Amino acid sequence: GIQVEQSPPDLILQEGANSTLRCNFSDSVNNLQWFHQNPWGQLINLFYIPSGTKQNGRLSATTVATERYSLLYISSSQTTDSGVYFCAAISNFGNEKLTFGTGTRLTIIP
Amino acid sequence: GAVVSQHPSRVICKSGTSVKIECRSLDFQATTMFWYRQFPKQSLMLMATSNEGSKATYEQGVEKDKFLINHASLTLSTLTVTSAHPEDSSFYICSARVRLAGAKIAKNIQYFGAGTRLSVL
Repeated sequence: GIQVEQSPPDLILQEGANSTLRCNFSDSVNNLQWFHQNPWGQLINLFYIPSGTKQNGRLSATTVATERYSLLYISSSQTTDSGVYFCAAISNFGNEKLTFGTGTRLTIIP
Repeated sequence: GAVVSQHPSRVICKSGTSVKIECRSLDFQATTMFWYRQFPKQSLMLMATSNEGSKATYEQGVEKDKFLINHASLTLSTLTVTSAHPEDSSFYICSARVRLAGAKIAKNIQYFGAGTRLSVL
């Protein structure tokens, strides 16, 4: 099945800093989603982005499908951005199941 | 966006009891729902896929007699952990897939419930 890897595994930043999170996947995909899991466990949808670029406020994401990676950008980080960020993908050749990456744990220090 | 409601949010029970978790899509119809399990500081692992009106499909290594899934309607799926034991303690999350109308290719966005933290004593 598809392999989804994220980097870095952990990231500690000062409030106000910018960050880039990376997601590599091993197959071509028809679904690529980014999530933020808050401290209470809720998964919040950030982007549905199997290709292209999208922006939502301080967050933006880019997926380069031909090179099999996606990037999540967070600008002017706030303490409320802390949590775990997951990307998840569905392979074009798979079984329509969303496979999660290993996650990036982001900690924003005041 | 689409809302998925999951209840209860927290369950503490004695070993040997059964626990039922409900997952509802509030403002859309979900032909497919998914159940995930997450251990502390780990990623989400798919347990099973349920389609309305048919039997659930379980992932390898997941005991179907231990984790009973019912998807009786387009808006409700339930997971019952039967005869729960301490090793079943975990964070269980349901998800429902939305099909975007009008797309040439079905674009399946999954939305997630808030999760249920199960502690078996």
